[in-house]
Amino acid sequence: EAGVAQSPRYKIIEKRQSVAFWCNPISGHATLYWYQQILGQGPKLLIQFQNNGVVDDSQLPKDRFSAERLKGVDSTLKIQPAKLEDSAVYLCASSLRQDSYNEQFFGPGTRLTVL
Amino acid sequence: DAKTTQPTSMDCAEGRAANLPCNHSTISGNEYVYWYRQIHSQGPQYIIHGLKNNETNEMASLIITEDRKSSTLILPHATLRDTAVYYCIVRDYKLSFGAGTTVTVRA
Repeated sequence: EAGVAQSPRYKIIEKRQSVAFWCNPISGHATLYWYQQILGQGPKLLIQFQNNGVVDDSQLPKDRFSAERLKGVDSTLKIQPAKLEDSAVYLCASSLRQDSYNEQFFGPGTRLTVL
Repeated sequence: DAKTTQPTSMDCAEGRAANLPCNHSTISGNEYVYWYRQIHSQGPQYIIHGLKNNETNEMASLIITEDRKSSTLILPHATLRDTAVYYCIVRDYKLSFGAGTTVTVRA
């Protein structure tokens, strides 16, 4: 079974530029998550989708971050404009359903460096 | 807003059991204890979860105290590949990761 795919794996941009990350979840997984992981910290949930609807985006900095999952399958996360503090690994995860005891499967992440 | 306390780091010898403690004194009755681990440069990987009873799978065992205020993850025969950051998470409707325990398995 193919895992969660993410691209690109690495991205370097200058502050105030825009960047987008792509995620393709495991086939059949209805729930998709984007996490931000700053060096030395655990992942922090940014947004959760159930199919193509947003379940939780309370931690998403909406003035600069946006995410969509238009057809309920793959998803993109965008940062516009980027700040230095956005340097982090952006992880995508998926699960079959959103109930609390469902295992989440994580992708390898995209490492973003903002200069 | 992590609800757990874990040691920052611990070492263990290859081939020996690794016992990873976690305190979650404010856990409520319907919250599960989850364990994930993150090997360097990879995404987190699910290990095990439990509510009240002890659980075992092919990766590890989870021992939860009767009052549910603490738990221990046991890796029965640690290998070098088990070197990772281990996260203990009390899950309500989402996973809230703390800083975890950095486990180093030494040959």
